[in-house]
Amino acid sequence: KAGVTQTPRYLIKTRGQQVTLSCSPISGHRSVSWYQQTPGQGLQFLFEYFSETQRNKGNFPGRFSGRQFSNSRSEMNVSTLELGDSALYLCASSLDTQGGNTEAFFGQGTRLTVV
Amino acid sequence: SQKIEQNSEALNIQEGKTATLTCNYTNYSPAYLQWYRQDPGRGPVFLLLIRENEKEKRKERLKVTFDTTLKQSLFHITASQPADSATYLCALEPGSARQLTFGSGTQLTVLP
Repeated sequence: KAGVTQTPRYLIKTRGQQVTLSCSPISGHRSVSWYQQTPGQGLQFLFEYFSETQRNKGNFPGRFSGRQFSNSRSEMNVSTLELGDSALYLCASSLDTQGGNTEAFFGQGTRLTVV
Repeated sequence: SQKIEQNSEALNIQEGKTATLTCNYTNYSPAYLQWYRQDPGRGPVFLLLIRENEKEKRKERLKVTFDTTLKQSLFHITASQPADSATYLCALEPGSARQLTFGSGTQLTVLP
């Protein structure tokens, strides 16, 4: 079965621009989470979507937003890019089973560089 | 505030030895604790999950313990190999939310 697919793999943007990243989860997974990874802060949770609804949100400014479509695919958007937004953005999908928690399956990430 | 600490940023061991990585947490009552492996330029890969009512979990050469009194998890790789060289991350999840909080990771190097 295909894994989590993130596109694009690499992006270079200019300060002030906006960017949209895409994530296709594993078939059958309805939960999609987004994380930002930087050398200084490590892996930090951005938000999680389930059945097209944002269920959880991390501590990031409103410039970071996301959405999920009916086929569980998800996009995240960053507006008014800042140099500090340069990072590896990771998407993870998981089964949302009642009665127990399961592992997260991560994509390869999108490397965003803001210049 | 909630904090997750992994004992060292880097750990070098000789091939064949057992690697032991530590994850400590404070101000947190996780229902689950997970360990992931991450190679450079790639996303984390799930290794093991242990629940708060489990003391120990094993999978092949991997073993995880979870002590909720000490607020600590230990991750062991026995008979380590150079291919085990990677960054290992522990992650906590409260159980009510699909939201992982990660430690900063330990970069393990297994020397041949």
